[in-house]
Amino acid sequence: DGGITQSPKYLFRKEGQNVTLSCEQNLNHDAMYWYRQDPGQGLRLIYYSQIVNDFQKGDIAEGYSVSREKKESFPLTVTSAQKNPTAFYLCASTAGTGGNYGYTFGSGTRLTVV
Amino acid sequence: QKEVEQDPGPLSVPEGAIVSLNCTYSNSAFQYFMWYRQYSRKGPELLMYTYSSGNKEDGRFTAQVDKSSKYISLFIRDSQPSDSATYLCAMRGPEKLVFGKGTKLTVNP
Repeated sequence: DGGITQSPKYLFRKEGQNVTLSCEQNLNHDAMYWYRQDPGQGLRLIYYSQIVNDFQKGDIAEGYSVSREKKESFPLTVTSAQKNPTAFYLCASTAGTGGNYGYTFGSGTRLTVV
Repeated sequence: QKEVEQDPGPLSVPEGAIVSLNCTYSNSAFQYFMWYRQYSRKGPELLMYTYSSGNKEDGRFTAQVDKSSKYISLFIRDSQPSDSATYLCAMRGPEKLVFGKGTKLTVNP
């Protein structure tokens, strides 16, 4: 079945560490997105990519980095510069950026700083 | 003014009730409107989408768009405990969807 796979489901990070969250899709979608979700804050866009080897900052990009070397993969690195990284992270993809194209979401990664 | 406003609730109703979830928006250029459902600790899933003004029905769910008022609604008839989730509205912007913050709904048996 086609879909988006996020791994790991749960991740624990020590202070000062960088961690990388994986996002893989087999939907042949061009555009991919990373969101952070905190209670009461809704979905906040971190980074997005509409094509391989190109990506744009979202609303809260500071302390995060991404790469898009393959169409299927869009990993997110949470760096030590991100002061409050504990959150639920969601990856999404879409076949197009216009019209009625909705997003397909992964099942999320819950990151906790210990 | 935020582009999309959504009452976060929480909303608690008895089983069988009619539920009304709403969003307002400020950008008159929005043409495509969507509703997502998110169960606890899961990713959102697309529930319904509508284009421009009007109604769209799918089983117990009805999505309504009033572009003149910049107001969209999702109605759930005969609500079930399995409808307990967070519902997010979303609107198509130039390069990405713009999401509301979500309304948490609990349907009590």
